[in-house]
Amino acid sequence: DAGVIQSPRHEVTEMGQEVTLRCKPISGHDYLFWYRQTMMRGLELLIYFNNNVPIDDSGMPEDRFSAKMPNASFSTLKIQPSEPRDSAVYFCASSFQEISTDTQYFGPGTRLTVL
Amino acid sequence: AQKITQTQPGMFVQEKEAVTLDCTYDTSDPSYGLFWYKQPSSGEMIFLIYQGSYDQQNATEGRYSLNFQKARKSANLVISASQLGDSAMYFCAIALYAGGTSYGKLTFGQGTILTVHP
Repeated sequence: DAGVIQSPRHEVTEMGQEVTLRCKPISGHDYLFWYRQTMMRGLELLIYFNNNVPIDDSGMPEDRFSAKMPNASFSTLKIQPSEPRDSAVYFCASSFQEISTDTQYFGPGTRLTVL
Repeated sequence: AQKITQTQPGMFVQEKEAVTLDCTYDTSDPSYGLFWYKQPSSGEMIFLIYQGSYDQQNATEGRYSLNFQKARKSANLVISASQLGDSAMYFCAIALYAGGTSYGKLTFGQGTILTVHP
């Protein structure tokens, strides 16, 4: 299995631009998670899906952020308009269960820089 | 709400020695799981070990063991026989039990950077 795939790996954009991050979970995993990692706030869960349906989006910072999962093999996290404080590493993860005693598999992350 | 505290921003250990990374947690819920993840410089998050709040024995996975002291609300990670490849950031996390073998969303600590010296 290829693992969780994220694209792009690095993104540099200017303030005000729209940014779209993409994720392909491991085939057969029912849950998909989006995390953000910064030096100041550490690793935070933004939103997670079960069977393509958003379950908990309480971590989404504001209306500028939106996430979709149109099918079991693809999800997007969109920031519009982007701001410098959105600069962070964004991780996607997937698992068989919400958080199983087995493991939650993380993608390699997308490093976003907003100038 | 749950909270994880990792008080050691950085730790150093000599190769082949053991090292303990501290983690304390706060939750009023009796059913929860504690998790440790490793993040090497390449950036990916790697699951290491899990401990359930009702587990009687400390969890072990190869060279990793979790020193679970429930009354003190601590879940320290012990790495035995450190290797150079263990140099990484280590995160402790907590999640509340949600049924079956499932837990809710993870809440992470700030992490500890471990450096293994040759």
